[in-house]
Amino acid sequence: ENVLTQSPATLSLSPGERATLSCRASQSVSSSSLAWYQQKPGQAPRLLIYGASNRATGIPDRFSGSGSGTDFSLTISRLEPEDFAVYYCQQRSNWLFTFGPGTKVGIK
Amino acid sequence: EVQLVESGGGLVMPGGSLRLSCAASGFPFISYGMNWVRQAPGKGLEWVSSISSGGSYIYYGDSVKGRFTISRDNAKKSLFLQMNSLRAEDTAVYYCAREGYSGSNFDCWGQGTLVTVSS
Repeated sequence: ENVLTQSPATLSLSPGERATLSCRASQSVSSSSLAWYQQKPGQAPRLLIYGASNRATGIPDRFSGSGSGTDFSLTISRLEPEDFAVYYCQQRSNWLFTFGPGTKVGIK
Repeated sequence: EVQLVESGGGLVMPGGSLRLSCAASGFPFISYGMNWVRQAPGKGLEWVSSISSGGSYIYYGDSVKGRFTISRDNAKKSLFLQMNSLRAEDTAVYYCAREGYSGSNFDCWGQGTLVTVSS
């Protein structure tokens, strides 16, 4: 099983600041199989980034993804109040999907 | 509008059974792989099971293998999860999720249905 580790577990920032979230895999991941999700309390997750760097439909361009192999990152260029949430990375290898434990982006 | 609506959650005793349903609308259901993803209270996301568009390919996570059965009815645009031998650790919100075009992510999610396993 390809285990995903996310860091930091918690990030405390102010609106307007830049957020950089990391996702590291225990085995190499095909870039086409790496995705990022945002989840707010009481809501279902929402797809932000797929294929490591492609924004999903309707996702603002302040969200960007990058990386390859075992190291991936999600960057939010300027945090808006609605961006404070938990972010998960996810990958698929063969038939198995795995998620990272999440990074909570909180208001400082 | 693409929509997934889960139902069937509730309180069940350990060892009991429950069947979840997911009604899809707004897209060609028959063309998409579908999945169940769960989230225990206060915890992260865990993939549970997937089924291919035609129903021929089915996979399960290790924690539910042998106890849960995924199925679909393309004529009724519905996805199901039969859960048997339920345990306390199966307590979670269960989400129905559509696979994206590449089959590697989940591009549409339902609102979830809560399953509580407790005596």
